[in-house]
Amino acid sequence: AQSVTQLGSHVSVSEGALVLLRCNYSSSVPPYLFWYVQYPNQGLQLLLKYTTGATLVKGINGFEAEFKKSETSFHLTKPSAHMSDAAEYFCAVSNANAGKSTFGDGTTLTVKP
Amino acid sequence: EPEVTQTPSHQVTQMGQEVILRCVPISNHLYFYWYRQILGQKVEFLVSFYNNEISEKSEIFDDQFSVERPDGSNFTLKIRSTKLEDSAMYFCASSEDRGQETQYFGPGTRLLVL
Repeated sequence: AQSVTQLGSHVSVSEGALVLLRCNYSSSVPPYLFWYVQYPNQGLQLLLKYTTGATLVKGINGFEAEFKKSETSFHLTKPSAHMSDAAEYFCAVSNANAGKSTFGDGTTLTVKP
Repeated sequence: EPEVTQTPSHQVTQMGQEVILRCVPISNHLYFYWYRQILGQKVEFLVSFYNNEISEKSEIFDDQFSVERPDGSNFTLKIRSTKLEDSAMYFCASSEDRGQETQYFGPGTRLLVL
């Protein structure tokens, strides 16, 4: 079984501030972890993923995430928020056996000027 | 860059009617998926499909739902008799392989059942 918990349904930051979106997962086998971004009325765009290897992964638009097995976490960060980062962000977990992805509830990121 | 496409982008239907949502996965991908997202809620897995058969389905995917790959390119989701609660965004996704491989999502079809 696998599950994802995203802490904080809404996060608000000022432009230029650090973005931190939290994701904790549960998986009975080694997980594969993903962050997706969804802009209003659009589909899901992959930001980054962790499968194996380096635990700090870099994605598009300046985002990165670190896989911490001991904390069962995969938090998404960006050093400096931009207005265009305002969107819904979803963390998802899969594994080699599951095939399907299980998504968290999502976090709405608001960026204030 | 190859992408997953979905048609129509929007569909409005009357309760009890049948709808077919269409998807064209990325051409060399072998695994296909349908997910749905009720407005304001999270993305939920419906079904996965491989080698012309369902490999996994969720409890949401009841007898009212069916999937088909009628030719070499299309992947369809049929809802036989729509209910109000079927109103949602439906996403198709495809991947080269299971799990590790990234699932590429289409833009979605917004279904509204009246």
